[in-house]
Amino acid sequence: RKEVEQDPGPFNVPEGATVAFNCTYSNSASQSFFWYRQDCRKEPKLLMSVYSSGNEDGRFTAQLNRASQYISLLIRDSKLSDSATYLCVVPSPGGYNKLIFGAGTRLAVHP
Amino acid sequence: DAGITQSPRHKVTETGTPVTLRCHQTENHRYMYWYRQDPGHGLRLIHYSYGVKDTDKGEVSDGYSVSRSKTEDFLLTLESATSSQTSVYFCAISAGKGDRELFFGEGSRLTVL
Repeated sequence: RKEVEQDPGPFNVPEGATVAFNCTYSNSASQSFFWYRQDCRKEPKLLMSVYSSGNEDGRFTAQLNRASQYISLLIRDSKLSDSATYLCVVPSPGGYNKLIFGAGTRLAVHP
Repeated sequence: DAGITQSPRHKVTETGTPVTLRCHQTENHRYMYWYRQDPGHGLRLIHYSYGVKDTDKGEVSDGYSVSRSKTEDFLLTLESATSSQTSVYFCAISAGKGDRELFFGEGSRLTVL
């Protein structure tokens, strides 16, 4: 099993839709998780941090399922500007400050 | 804005030539990182630093060396560039809770012919 796995997509959704991405991880000892957003040809930017069971920020909700070892990102009321690649990130078992990035899930929101 | 700048932003070079990428930060962060990003692989850690002159290898460190002689600068060197090192390179610092939230520079796009 890869350390971090994501469905590459693309997820094509209309404006206003609700969309959810899952990310599975292999290190059961992981305590913190992150979602980053990356626009085409730009740097990744931190979207949300998850330190307990979940986190909510406006239209974005991240949830953690430790038993099944996955985290999800839910986007409600999708906007055109949400079109991007969403990267799931988990700590590496190899070191405190090492993080492992998933390859990303691409979201395309259309009018 | 995490105050991270990378240089050069774009570079084309030939196989066998040395290349150095520079990452500069203005906010005195302890941890700095170099990642490369390739299609289908996501970001992979090359090297990281946890202080001046303190560095360690990441998962794809072969063919790369780093140096950190000052807190604000973290240099990535390709001693003899190969075509497999054509990639986008991102520098990052960590901050936030437990120093685990990464903030990236704008990236350096390197092409090795």
